[in-house]
Amino acid sequence: SQTIHQWPATLVQPVGSPLSLECTVEGTSNPNLYWYRQAAGRGLQLLFYSVGIGQISSEVPQNLSASRPQDRQFILSSKKLLLSDSGFYLCAWIVHTEAFFGQGTRLTVV
Amino acid sequence: AQTVTQSQPEMSVQEAETVTLSCTYDTSESDYYLFWYKQPPSRQMILVIRQEAYKQQNATENRFSVNFQKAAKSFSLKISDSQLGDAAMYFCAYRSGRGAQKLVFGQGTRLTINP
Repeated sequence: SQTIHQWPATLVQPVGSPLSLECTVEGTSNPNLYWYRQAAGRGLQLLFYSVGIGQISSEVPQNLSASRPQDRQFILSSKKLLLSDSGFYLCAWIVHTEAFFGQGTRLTVV
Repeated sequence: AQTVTQSQPEMSVQEAETVTLSCTYDTSESDYYLFWYKQPPSRQMILVIRQEAYKQQNATENRFSVNFQKAAKSFSLKISDSQLGDAAMYFCAYRSGRGAQKLVFGQGTRLTINP
């Protein structure tokens, strides 16, 4: 079956610390994967997407980066977190007219 | 670039009544898809309804239906017989029929159901 996993669910990190959020999918190969961020009470902003291993497209300039080291793995990273990086991060897998979302990660930078 | 606009940050409706959430979008493409997603407090994204742009008939799913006006680039969601469980954030989303299949979301509408 097709599933998507995202972890951790919550994270509290100090300013200046590194970040690594992981997203993996099962039941498919060569998926299109996406990272979204949702600020409090706001819509979902597309940060990065990847159509294959090593292929990353950035939608907005920011303090974050993404990597696709394996076919079904998508990682969101930062070397030094800023307060403004706080938010809710969602990984998504989109195939044709279907979209599967991870459970999300609530990141609080303190 | 495609944009999606939801002009109603918040809406409220009495239980069992009908409410309509508005959405407009901007695109120069002819092949695309439109979606309404529900996000309850758990933050899980739940697909409510989907509309293919090439279909003239409005999509319906039980109590949920859309009014798709392609020329006006409008895609509103009607919820009939509102239930307490319908309370959530609702997002309108656009996806191109070509390219990287990015989902572009509106800002969301917070729907409150009054008992």
